[in-house]
Amino acid sequence: GAVVSQHPSRVICKSGTSVKIECRSLDFQATTMFWYRQFPKKSLMLMATSNEGSKATYEQGVEKDKFLINHASLTLSTLTVTSAHPEDSSFYICSARDSRQNTEAFFGQGTRLTVV
Amino acid sequence: DAKTTQPPSMDCAEGRAANLPCNHSTISGNEYVYWYRQIHSQGPQYIIHGLKNNETNEMASLIITEDRKSSTLILPHATLRDTAVYYCIAPTNQAGTALIFGKGTTLSVSS
Repeated sequence: GAVVSQHPSRVICKSGTSVKIECRSLDFQATTMFWYRQFPKKSLMLMATSNEGSKATYEQGVEKDKFLINHASLTLSTLTVTSAHPEDSSFYICSARDSRQNTEAFFGQGTRLTVV
Repeated sequence: DAKTTQPPSMDCAEGRAANLPCNHSTISGNEYVYWYRQIHSQGPQYIIHGLKNNETNEMASLIITEDRKSSTLILPHATLRDTAVYYCIAPTNQAGTALIFGKGTTLSVSS
């Protein structure tokens, strides 16, 4: 299947700093990318949907000023967790699909964020 | 998305077939059924999807009932590496629609 690369796989940061997570589609054009977060023993929760070149659409309860999403190209989306706090510690996962093809979505490997 | 219902957990002996059921009684005529799995601390992995007909690929088979109200994912010869949470999803058939994950079925394969 298609490959989605997410980086970094793990990151530890201090409270108050910002962290950027990258998500790249390696062999297809990702017109739409999705960001999820997952707490231990819970299912994935959709945070936001972004279409290339447009502003992201955030799910209810997700602060757009805290979780900045950029999707400036068809192969790259970034999620920046601004002014991170310990409660932001979680597993963040990106997903990408080419909506023009109506194919399945593919997922990155996930990023384990720990805020200390 | 059509609501899907899956058993919370299942056990399977290594080498045997694992049959994972999913109910999606409210599915619309043009909504596909997708199956993904998530192995611990990894991103979800696409397995298979189908609309009406049964589907098979190198990973699994998908059997969809004629009325499309339920389906079964079959792993023909389960291995220890198939231990994972399996998600059955029936997303709204619109371009750009996100997959919404339920609780899935935790499959435990043991030797």
